[in-house]
Amino acid sequence: EPEVTQTPSHQVTQMGQEVILRCVPISNHLYFYWYRQILGQKVEFLVSFYNNEISEKSEIFDDQFSVERPDGSNFTLKIRSTKLEDSAMYFCASNQAQSDGYTFGSGTRLTVV
Amino acid sequence: GENVEQHPSTLSVQEGDSAVIKCTYSDSASNYFPWYKQELGKRPQLIIDIRSNVGEKKDQRIAVTLNKTAKHFSLHITETQPEDSAVYFCAAVGTGRRALTFGSGTRLQVQP
Repeated sequence: EPEVTQTPSHQVTQMGQEVILRCVPISNHLYFYWYRQILGQKVEFLVSFYNNEISEKSEIFDDQFSVERPDGSNFTLKIRSTKLEDSAMYFCASNQAQSDGYTFGSGTRLTVV
Repeated sequence: GENVEQHPSTLSVQEGDSAVIKCTYSDSASNYFPWYKQELGKRPQLIIDIRSNVGEKKDQRIAVTLNKTAKHFSLHITETQPEDSAVYFCAAVGTGRRALTFGSGTRLQVQP
């Protein structure tokens, strides 16, 4: 069964540093998403991406965040200057059509110290 | 935007019993309602979904019901097994937003 892959699985970074989280969505999927989950809490929407541009974003997705699809396969989330409260599990997801269920990646656990 | 409320936050049942988790949503135009199961430290996995043109869907021990008038939908698990223990999230897609909004999750514990 096709998978969404994410790297790294765990990243520890100093407060104020930039991090890039990487995702490879399923190859024939057209819609891509980033969600985050603070430990023990619900899954929160960050941003969705379609046709090489952001289609919507939440209030969490401020100027510190950006997304990119640099080469047609990778989908990246960049956090410019990390804060302690950015510590969370970040999940990438994709689907083929807007009304389909998402396939989630295995997540990147980001720890900001 | 869409707001999804989920209850209960925790649910403990004996093996073999049924479990029911309920969600309400705010956007009457929402049309897609998936349920995800998340085991500890793992990704959410889609277990069943329902669209607004049907009222019920079943897949073996799992069923989902949708009441559009009342704007609520429920997950029913029958003959629960210890491996059903996990956190379950409901979600919905509302108009003006094409991404899923998740409920706060229900931690289901099935006691052997």
